[in-house]
Amino acid sequence: QSALTQPPSASGSPGQSVTISCTGTSSDVGGYNYVSWYQQHPGKAPKLMIYEVVKRPSGVPDRFSGSKSGNTASLTVSGLQAEDEADYYCSSFAGNNNVFGTGTKVTVL
Amino acid sequence: EVQLVESGGGLVQPGESLRLSCAPSGFTFTNYAMHWVRQAPGKGLEWVSGISTSGGTAYYADSVKGRFTISRNNSMTTLFLQMNNLRADDTAIYYCARGTYSFGSWGQGARVTVSS
Repeated sequence: QSALTQPPSASGSPGQSVTISCTGTSSDVGGYNYVSWYQQHPGKAPKLMIYEVVKRPSGVPDRFSGSKSGNTASLTVSGLQAEDEADYYCSSFAGNNNVFGTGTKVTVL
Repeated sequence: EVQLVESGGGLVQPGESLRLSCAPSGFTFTNYAMHWVRQAPGKGLEWVSGISTSGGTAYYADSVKGRFTISRNNSMTTLFLQMNNLRADDTAIYYCARGTYSFGSWGQGARVTVSS
């Protein structure tokens, strides 16, 4: 049950795009199409942004998109806005458990 | 509106026990698997445990297996986490979350501090 690997930080100017990677193994990310992404602002509960690799819950802007190739999933935030500055975590189903990523702090310059 | 409200957190000494509760509203509880996810101070998210809709199947992270027990009372519409033999590294905010393969709704969390 090792954590999925994410870069510690990512940044971009308003209007630019940022992509966050999430690397696991064939037992989690690569084995299931059940990767999800969460946004967490300081002192707040996480919020689901992407589920089942590419799906967006109602109310999440289409600036947020997900993808997967092999054992690595990615979250892309296009048209960065100030309110996108937050921590982002990926998660994957892994059979009899779930595993989160190490987290990425996104800064809007 | 979907709501999840955790309770039961607090300060305990190492080796002691604590039981967290999560009261859901705004959706049909029996239709959803439920989970506990924790976040240690300044750290990332860690999945702790999950339970099936009926309560018949439960899953645990290796870090809590044998010490924590997840359960649900579908007639009382409540999710529980019984935490025994608590350690300092169990100190965290504990969130209950709704979902099967992803966590679509979260509570605001219950703070658990394990310290002598």
